[in-house]
Amino acid sequence: NAGVMQNPRHLVRRRGQEARLRCSPMKGHSHVYWYRQLPEEGLKFMVYLQKENIIDESGMPKERFSAEFPKEGPSILRIQQVVRGDSAAYFCASSPITVHGYTFGSGTRLTVV
Amino acid sequence: AQKVTQAQTEISVVEKEDVTLDCVYETRDTTYYLFWYKQPPSGELVFLIRRNSFDEQNEISGRYSWNFQKSTSSFNFTITASQVVDSAVYFCALSDPAGANNLFFGTGTRLTVIP
Repeated sequence: NAGVMQNPRHLVRRRGQEARLRCSPMKGHSHVYWYRQLPEEGLKFMVYLQKENIIDESGMPKERFSAEFPKEGPSILRIQQVVRGDSAAYFCASSPITVHGYTFGSGTRLTVV
Repeated sequence: AQKVTQAQTEISVVEKEDVTLDCVYETRDTTYYLFWYKQPPSGELVFLIRRNSFDEQNEISGRYSWNFQKSTSSFNFTITASQVVDSAVYFCALSDPAGANNLFFGTGTRLTVIP
């Protein structure tokens, strides 16, 4: 019974590079959510996806950030041309139907140098 | 708009003391869910409790207890006989009523239990 798997656990990127964060939801979960936690802050919602669909991206920055959840494979959060301000912990959660069954992954800590 | 306020940024207690973490929320909706999560130094998020807005009964789970007061929009968390392993950041969160698709988190309370 694997939980929500996120990889890598830690990611270091130079300014201007691309960061790709992966999230494999729990077995049987078809809803995926991405959150960002800036240092010393709470988590902020970014995007909610179902298989092949973005349901709510109201928390996503307008530029450089994108997310997908393909029919096969993990959900990917992609950050292009990273800047120092993107340094944060990025958490993925999954649920079978709605937020009531939320399970978080262990997060990916992105450091931009 | 949904909002969660955790006014206590940091709390330190001596082991075996009781400690209460405050959470005050704002929402216009009559149906919502409240959550508490623990984030230990290792960084993962550990689910502690989910409570719906129609259930105002207090809940106890071992050394943990929660006091939901709808009249004051508060959902406080008490740890009895604190232990060093309780040292963590604790987050209170409120569900988005529109689609229950995402959670609004408070800024967290960092609890340090001193041996």
